[in-house]
Amino acid sequence: NAGVTQTPKFQVLKTGQSMTLQCAQDMNHEYMSWYRQDPGMGLRLIHYSVGAGITDQGEVPNGYNVSRSTTEDFPLRLLSAAPSQTSVYFCASSYRERATQYFGPGTRLLVL
Amino acid sequence: KQEVTQIPAALSVPEGENLVLNCSFTDSAIYNLQWFRQDPGKGLTSLLLIQSSQREQTSGRLNASLDKSSGRSTLYIAASQPGDSATYLCALNRGAAGNKLTFGGGTRVLVKP
Repeated sequence: NAGVTQTPKFQVLKTGQSMTLQCAQDMNHEYMSWYRQDPGMGLRLIHYSVGAGITDQGEVPNGYNVSRSTTEDFPLRLLSAAPSQTSVYFCASSYRERATQYFGPGTRLLVL
Repeated sequence: KQEVTQIPAALSVPEGENLVLNCSFTDSAIYNLQWFRQDPGKGLTSLLLIQSSQREQTSGRLNASLDKSSGRSTLYIAASQPGDSATYLCALNRGAAGNKLTFGGGTRVLVKP
């Protein structure tokens, strides 16, 4: 099992550009989430999904879109990048509610 | 709103000493609590998961306890090694849909040889 994989590892964007952060898991997990990690703010939930076709907003959803067309993939889209979105983004998955959550290696994003 | 606090923010100990890491939270209505390890520039590695009905969990040199009534969890690492140097994060599953986690700010640990 590869576990939770994320691409790219690092990305530089200019303000206003759009991009998609990829997340995939091969563990047949129903639950997937996106978090961002910022110094002094800790990890905060952006969006989550409880299964294919079902997504919902977390704590800091503004400026981000998600979709879940398959169980394996949960991409995060930045519609129009802003410097405030400079962060490290982590994808996580779990088999079911109350189960251990597994995190990917992260994507480091710099918006100039 | 659930608040999760980890004090101290940083800790330095000599090799061989036992580590005691604290996590406190304001709302005892939780599903479970998970402890993670994060190495610099890396993702989070799950260490232990304690369900709300449990008092402790053990894995090798690691032992985590949970006291919902006092809003505290403690992670014990026995006989620390330089390889234990990392940031340790606790996270609460608040029980709402989606397995959402609320994280503490972490404790950065340095184990000196």
